[in-house]
Amino acid sequence: AQSVAQPEDQVNVAEGNPLTVKCTYSVSGNPYLFWYVQYPNRGLQFLLKYITGDNLVKGSYGFEAEFNKSQTSFHLKKPSALVSDSALYFCAVRSGSSASKIIFGSGTRLSIRP
Amino acid sequence: DSGVTQTPKHLITATGQRVTLRCSPRSGDLSVYWYQQSLDQGLQFLIQYYNGEERAKGNILERFSAQQFPDLHSELNLSSLELGDSALYFCASILLTGSGNTIYFGEGSWLTVV
Repeated sequence: AQSVAQPEDQVNVAEGNPLTVKCTYSVSGNPYLFWYVQYPNRGLQFLLKYITGDNLVKGSYGFEAEFNKSQTSFHLKKPSALVSDSALYFCAVRSGSSASKIIFGSGTRLSIRP
Repeated sequence: DSGVTQTPKHLITATGQRVTLRCSPRSGDLSVYWYQQSLDQGLQFLIQYYNGEERAKGNILERFSAQQFPDLHSELNLSSLELGDSALYFCASILLTGSGNTIYFGEGSWLTVV
């Protein structure tokens, strides 16, 4: 069965420091992995995705994520955090073998302090 | 702007009532997903339609139903509403299933049951 885990409910980082939001997954077949961000009272905005190819994926707002097949992880990273990055982040996975199912993690609240 | 349109944006109704939430997918997208997001909770997948037909079902209550019309817009019907149904309901659309295409979310419909 497909699953996604975001082990941290909250991540706190000082502005200017690097940030990492963790995501691990379990799927049968090749995974398609996504990160979304949700600002207060807004819908989910697409940040980036991994389909195939280079394990390091670059996305919107300076975010990037690294696909690690052996560790079944897809952690979201940013070299230098901004206060405006404070939001709720969701990792999601789809499997080509079970195309209809898009499974979201429970979300990680990122808080960047000035 | 994701291109996915949801109406109404906000809705307040009484327990026992019935409401309909409407979703217009992105132009050309064939598949629509409905999600429920309750306070401090993650995204709960409700149901998916593809080109007018139900494709996958998640944690959707029997009091809830949905459909996708020939013009590809979708409606989520919530009946016999309870206080616990108060949530943010998201619609999302995608061009094709079985691929690495991105799923795009609308801004959501806030439902408050009083």
